Amino acid sequence: NAGVTQTPKFQVLKTGQSMTLQCAQDMNHEYMSWYRQDPGMGLRLIHYSVGAGITDQGEVPNGYNVSRSTTEDFPLRLLSAAPSQTSVYFCASRLSTGIPETQYFGPGTRLLVL
Amino acid sequence: AQSVTQPDIHITVSEGASLELRCNYSYGATPYLFWYVQSPGQGLQLLLKYFSGDTLVQGIKGFEAEFKRSQSSFNLRKPSVHWSDAAEYFCAVVLTQGGSEKLVFGKGTKLTVNP
Repeated sequence: NAGVTQTPKFQVLKTGQSMTLQCAQDMNHEYMSWYRQDPGMGLRLIHYSVGAGITDQGEVPNGYNVSRSTTEDFPLRLLSAAPSQTSVYFCASRLSTGIPETQYFGPGTRLLVL
Repeated sequence: AQSVTQPDIHITVSEGASLELRCNYSYGATPYLFWYVQSPGQGLQLLLKYFSGDTLVQGIKGFEAEFKRSQSSFNLRKPSVHWSDAAEYFCAVVLTQGGSEKLVFGKGTKLTVNP
């Protein structure tokens, strides 16, 4: 198993550009989520999904869109990038909701918005 | 509000010394608690977790943590720190809200190890 994979590893954007951060997992996990990590802030939840076709907002959803058309993939879209979205983004997945499960993290995507 | 707090932003210890990283949670029910470690430029690796049962849990890399309900704490410990333990450590709790579960992180404690 590859686990949770993220692409790209690094990205530089100009203000106003759009892009999609890719996340995939091959563990048949129902639950997937996106976090952003900023210095001194820990990890904050952006969006999450409890299964294909179901998404919901986390703590800091503004400026981001998600969709979940398959169990494996959970892309994060920035429609109009802003410097405040400069961060490291982590995708995570776990088996199911309702019972305690370990969450597995991808290696992260470093995004710089100029 | 349900949350997790790591009071220490940065801790420095000497190699071979003991280590304790603090974590406090605010949660009404029995929490599900985790400790993750993040080495520079890397993703998050699970060190250990507490769901129920024995309040002293053992993890990888020689770490352990003790759940103390009376103190709302889940402190991470290691008896003898190695230089390779230098990293940032995150405590996290599963938050149940509106029928869904989310993993909420503390802001992290950065560990520096002096030779």
